[in-house]
Amino acid sequence: GESVGLHLPTLSVQEGDNSIINCAYSNSASDYFIWYKQESGKGPQFIIDIRSNMDKRQGQRVTVLLNKTVKHLSLQIAYTQPGDSAVYFCAENESNTGKLIFGQGTTLQVKP
Amino acid sequence: DTEVTQTPKHLVMGMTNKKSLKCEQHMGHRAMYWYKQKAKKPPELMFVYSYEKLSINESVPSRFSPECPNSSLLNLHLHALQPEDSALYLCASSQESQGRSKYFGPGTRLTVT
Repeated sequence: GESVGLHLPTLSVQEGDNSIINCAYSNSASDYFIWYKQESGKGPQFIIDIRSNMDKRQGQRVTVLLNKTVKHLSLQIAYTQPGDSAVYFCAENESNTGKLIFGQGTTLQVKP
Repeated sequence: DTEVTQTPKHLVMGMTNKKSLKCEQHMGHRAMYWYKQKAKKPPELMFVYSYEKLSINESVPSRFSPECPNSSLLNLHLHALQPEDSALYLCASSQESQGRSKYFGPGTRLTVT
């Protein structure tokens, strides 16, 4: 399953499928990007990050892609599991202020 | 250990009360942050402390008063709050204010009655 456009509030995928969550960022000066997972009633949990001098980074079951030309960030989750159900936020770090600016978030629902 | 702890977990207070939220980290991070998060919205930055000094105040009303007693502790003092201040208050820390990874605590769920 894939979220398209600037922001899709909810993405529903079947367990075992791959998920792609997209995010558009606004500041060309942002030098660092983070994906967070937030489960209900909890604080945001760091998943993976990427610096602006990279275009791809892989973790365990997750991959982040960065396209600076169009200011687009994506999070790919392989073999999506029910435990992956949460709200996912992208965040851009403004290099000059150190402020972390969050996107609106995408709710990932995993169907068994 | 990448843990940021916050107390209390839940807080209900009246509009005339004075209360404090507490945050602690033992990762040696020199920057600490307060964020406010309303339901179904992203976190919004309130304050940044860098090396125990307030470096950013995002035009937060004075009824919220932050304090950084030392490099491991961050408090948020609350006084004369409004019902619309009800939210999840999140603390975060990073190596430095322009540090890379920002780790969040579990938050304090605040309800103002």
